[in-house]
This record gives sequence, structure tokens and C-alpha cells, in this order.
Amino acid sequence: EDKVVQSPLSLVVHEGDTVTLNCSYEVTNFRSLLWYKQEKKAPTFLFMLTSSGIEKKSGRLSSILDKKELFSILNITATQTGDSAVYLCAAPGAGNNRKLIWGLGTSLAVNP
Amino acid sequence: SAVISQKPSRDICQRGTSLTIQCQVDSQVTMMFWYRQQPGQSLTLIATANQGSEATYESGFVIDKFPISRPNLTFSTLTVSNMSPEDSSIYLCSVLDGTNYGYTFGSGTRLTVV
Repeated sequence: EDKVVQSPLSLVVHEGDTVTLNCSYEVTNFRSLLWYKQEKKAPTFLFMLTSSGIEKKSGRLSSILDKKELFSILNITATQTGDSAVYLCAAPGAGNNRKLIWGLGTSLAVNP
Repeated sequence: SAVISQKPSRDICQRGTSLTIQCQVDSQVTMMFWYRQQPGQSLTLIATANQGSEATYESGFVIDKFPISRPNLTFSTLTVSNMSPEDSSIYLCSVLDGTNYGYTFGSGTRLTVV
């Protein structure tokens, strides 16, 4: 059965810290891995990763995929209170409807 | 990326009533997905809605409880029927964006059933 596992489930840091969020996956016919940030209701897209070893970067956020070891990490440097959110990892499943397989998320709290 | 307008943003409903949530996309999309997110949980797929065909429901979800309409390639509705407090959740629609943005989500509907 396809699955996506995130760790840690929750994390509390101080402003300015660097955090690393983990996502491992077991997905048949793997195509891509997605990271989202969820603050209130709707998840907002961060990154889509398809190739191993190529870092994607957006400001203080970056992410990389390892298709050999079946995991991805999301790094946030110089954290700010506005980074407090749930970070979700997902991968499209093998079916024709490309249903997303979701992790449980990492709840990040950044304290001032 | 696609932009999705989802309504209502929130509602408080009496048990036994029904609520219809609608999503309007600014571009034509083949598949739309409806999710539920119960408090403290991750997203759970309710059904996949293709234009011109019956929605495909995930295990644990049935058409009588969550009827879906998909009259065209830019619009869909989800109805939560005969509501109970257990239906209190965030409901989200989503589309597979044709660009490199993965899946785009509507703004969500926070439903509270009292």
C-alpha cells in the first residue's frame, strides 16, 4: 500500500533557527513529491520534486529529493514567526486519477 | 497557476440539514478532487469528480451522503447531507494544475455542525 510518512509530527523552535522536515515515501510508479504549507484552511503549494539531487529553492525555503533512499527534506533557514504552520508532504498514487497520498504533516511553531 | 474560488468560507449548520459547497476554477480542468480535513488530521480524499461522469468515491464515503455535481470543466459542487456534528471539518476542493504547480486548492470551507 502506498504511504507517505513525515517526521517529526511537531516541532517548536526559536526565531532564527534552521529546521529540517522529513518526508519518506513508498509509492508505486513514483512520479513526484509535493510540499505544501497549511496555515489556516487551504494548503499552499511550495515545491514539486521529480528528480533526485536537484535542490529547489524559494527564499529561505529549500527542498531536495532522494529517489534512491525514497525521501525528501524541506529546509527552512532563519525561521520567522510567519513560518508557523503545518507542512504537508504528498505524492500522487499509481492510479489513473492520480490521487494524492498525504503524510500527516509536521506542525511547526516558531517562537519569537 | 489555476485560481479556485470556493464558497462558502465557513458556515454553522444545524444537524439534519444539508450544505452545498461550490468551487469555481478560472480555467478548464479535467479532474477535481474533494477533501475533508477533520480537526488535527491530514487531508482525506472524499471523491474525484470528472466532467460528464459519475464521481468516484473513496472507501468510507457514499454518494447519498456527499453528492457531487460537475456540470462543466470549471465548476463543481459538494453537498454534505443530513449533517451530524461528526461532519464538522474543513472541506477543500482541488485541481491538478497543468503547470508545474502540482495541485491547487480552493480556500476551504470550515463547517461546524451543532
